[in-house]
Amino acid sequence: EAQVTQNPRYLITVTGKKLTVTCSQNMNHEYMSWYRQDPGLGLRQIYYSMNVEVTDKGDVPEGYKVSRKEKRNFPLILESPSPNQTSLYFCASSIRAGQNSPLHFGNGTRLTVT
Amino acid sequence: SQKIEQNSEALNIQEGKTATLTCNYTNYSPAYLQWYRQDPGRGPVFLLLIRENEKEKRKERLKVTFDTTLKQSLFHITASQPADSATYLCALFSGTYKYIFGTGTRLKVLA
Repeated sequence: EAQVTQNPRYLITVTGKKLTVTCSQNMNHEYMSWYRQDPGLGLRQIYYSMNVEVTDKGDVPEGYKVSRKEKRNFPLILESPSPNQTSLYFCASSIRAGQNSPLHFGNGTRLTVT
Repeated sequence: SQKIEQNSEALNIQEGKTATLTCNYTNYSPAYLQWYRQDPGRGPVFLLLIRENEKEKRKERLKVTFDTTLKQSLFHITASQPADSATYLCALFSGTYKYIFGTGTRLKVLA
């Protein structure tokens, strides 16, 4: 089944404790991206990747890191999480970046930082 | 900056009626516009994509229009059902390799 898989679904952590949210897609998509979703603010892009070893900042990259060493994986790293990073996070992929390329989303990771 | 606005945060309609959701955008001239459905606690799911020269596109009970003069897309669900209750998002792909989403309209279809 074609899908984007994120793990974990739920994560509660404390300020400053490094964490990684994994994302994997099995569709051989070139483009992958991370979003956070907050009430009233909608989906905001954190980072995106056009292809292996090519990443760039989205609209809200501060406090996050990503890597794209393999085509299928695009982990999101929070080196020192803070409470303002409490949010619902989504990974998404598309065959390539483009106006006629819809995104396929994972089921989300709900992160709470205390 | 590029911006997408969806007309209302929430919309309640009676079962069987047509729901109409609005998406307006500024500072951009997209060739395509996308619509997604999101259920609570789940990732958005792609529904429809419309090109600027298509004016209207249909998929079963869904219809999308795209007016580049008004910078607006309308999303219609005909013969609505309680199972159509969800948040609906419109999205554009910007020229800088980013997808920009509206904040969504939460539709509730009342039985």
